[in-house]
Amino acid sequence: SQQGEEDPQALSIQEGENATMNCSYKTSINNLQWYRQNSGRGLVHLILIRSNEREKHSGRLRVTLDTSKKSSSLLITASRAADTASYFCATGRGGGNKLTFGTGTQLKVEL
Amino acid sequence: GAVVSQHPSWVICKSGTSVKIECRSLDFQATTMFWYRQFPKQSLMLMATSNEGSKATYEQGVEKDKFLINHASLTLSTLTVTSAHPEDSSFYICSAWEGWVGELFFGEGSRLTVL
Repeated sequence: SQQGEEDPQALSIQEGENATMNCSYKTSINNLQWYRQNSGRGLVHLILIRSNEREKHSGRLRVTLDTSKKSSSLLITASRAADTASYFCATGRGGGNKLTFGTGTQLKVEL
Repeated sequence: GAVVSQHPSWVICKSGTSVKIECRSLDFQATTMFWYRQFPKQSLMLMATSNEGSKATYEQGVEKDKFLINHASLTLSTLTVTSAHPEDSSFYICSAWEGWVGELFFGEGSRLTVL
């Protein structure tokens, strides 16, 4: 069964605005990852945050993890039209390479 | 970064036929690969874990006789959808675990349409 739920399901913003997506999960995890998927394409790994980390940055991306609330957020700052895609959180269990994906957020960044 | 190639990227077949999808790790060896299925506007659902040299481990609810997985070499896993029906139409994505760097790499996906 699906582990993570993301909200919002869809998000539409203007270029230059920040986009925040949230992910909640149900069981304990080794790590949580965020992926991006352009329509009809494969997944691109964005960032991984380990269970003992609380915040991580990568370029315009900022990820937080709250293991007590079993939740994570992905913030994309100064969004661009090219950021339009679906974003998925994924939690790792066992050795960490077996991933369970969240429901995803479809982000649309308009010019 | 490491590259995972899937072939074919799209396939259309008649109901009742079998379709094979290949997943190759191009510049690394992958003892473990994963197969996912994705319906339109939905998330990825893990179907099975493909282990080189041994039987695949299927997730609950996935018919192993329907979705045959073979991982005969360290760079190739295949998924065969047997006796395909329209409800099998979906986007199938594989991923390969690069153990040296500890990262999972995804293929570009294969879109199956069963008429």
